[in-house]
Amino acid sequence: QQQVKQSPQSLIVQKGGISIINCAYENTAFDYFPWYQQFPGKGPALLIAIRPDVSEKKEGRFTISFNKSAKQFSLHIMDSQPGDSATYFCAATYTGTASKLTFGTGTRLQVTL
Amino acid sequence: DTGVSQNPRHKITKRGQNVTFRCDPISEHNRLYWYRQTLGQGPEFLTYFQNEAQLEKSRLLSDRFSAERPKGSFSTLEIQRTEQGDSAMYLCASTGSLANTGELFFGEGSRLTVL
Repeated sequence: QQQVKQSPQSLIVQKGGISIINCAYENTAFDYFPWYQQFPGKGPALLIAIRPDVSEKKEGRFTISFNKSAKQFSLHIMDSQPGDSATYFCAATYTGTASKLTFGTGTRLQVTL
Repeated sequence: DTGVSQNPRHKITKRGQNVTFRCDPISEHNRLYWYRQTLGQGPEFLTYFQNEAQLEKSRLLSDRFSAERPKGSFSTLEIQRTEQGDSAMYLCASTGSLANTGELFFGEGSRLTVL
């Protein structure tokens, strides 16, 4: 059972544009939603994370928007740069699971010049 | 670099052979995780350790898979009688016990190809 659904599968954005990746979850017990960034040949690295007590979190050019009632959350990358080209994974977990993450299927982002 | 280290980075083996991967976590981290990632998919949880105790195993971890963390430091993941379906990237991650969040620190993975 896929508990975190992610879309789109791939995304091409021009430099300076906004990249938007969406995720939806099923398990209402989830209370921590991180986004991971993975470059080819590397392991995933934590980018930004949010808890459901806030609707938005911003760190630099990266923003998470969270809609608890819809069980959806999204990553917005403002002023996208070629260096942002990577695969992005949303994930979810809940307190008491010792940080065991359930990942989405990933979005391959390509930022063109 | 004192990040999570995994060896070997790549392993090509014939079906039926046994393989073993090693993970050295960040030194002060007492939780260690193994995930499997196939092409075009997100990482899938396999198992995790708190110190030397293996506390949870996914149903993905068949009887051919065994993981150990004998002294609560490095960990090994062994796959016996490999099958082509075992071909994947095996990721190790670690975190401290106080970080009951999703902040896992991943290694670069060990890619397994079963011919």
